[in-house]
Amino acid sequence: SYELTQPPSVSVSPGQTARITCSGDALAKQYAYWYQQKAGQAPVVVTYKDSERPSGIPERFSGSSSGTTVTLTISGVQAEDEADYYCQSADSTGTLVFGGGTKLTVL
Amino acid sequence: EVQLLESGGGLVQPGGSLRLSCAASAFTFSNYAMSWVRQAPGKGLEWVSAISGSGVNTYYADSVKGRFTISRDNSKNMLYLQMNSLRAEDTAEYYCAKAPTPIVGAITYFHHWGQGTLVTVSS
Repeated sequence: SYELTQPPSVSVSPGQTARITCSGDALAKQYAYWYQQKAGQAPVVVTYKDSERPSGIPERFSGSSSGTTVTLTISGVQAEDEADYYCQSADSTGTLVFGGGTKLTVL
Repeated sequence: EVQLLESGGGLVQPGGSLRLSCAASAFTFSNYAMSWVRQAPGKGLEWVSAISGSGVNTYYADSVKGRFTISRDNSKNMLYLQMNSLRAEDTAEYYCAKAPTPIVGAITYFHHWGQGTLVTVSS
């Protein structure tokens, strides 16, 4: 198995840019996916295959990858973006893993 | 609209068994891999198990291998998780999740989720 490491928390003021990182050796070879989970709700995917954005997800959400680190960037953060964010990856053997999660606080 | 509705959660004693179900609708069920993901109270997401669209291939996290069994009935659009030898650390909300492809592999992620069913393992 492998691990994905995220910072426990990130804080930003409204209108600023939030960057949440996810690190792991497997990310050099595998895609990453990001989920947003608001309190009491099921997760929602906000980016897939490192940088693709599903329909219905605001353009302010973007993903990028460099080596063993992937980054979820939220530009012009809004109060409604306050949530927990999780990265996820999978390998060709069918093993999936989630990062520990990052709590985004909008000040 | 895709719907995933979990059921079967509840209180069970350590060492006991429970079977979770997930009823799927509004998509061709057999065309998509499915998975169970759990979340312990106040904790992060943990992948539990996945199954290919055909049901032939199954995958498990090390933490549940040998105790849990995933299965599906494509004629009934149903996904199941049989959980045996339950432990306190299995206490969690269990989510049913749909992948965008029929196989489980490097591009597996989840674009639809149910609302979850709570499993509590306690004496």
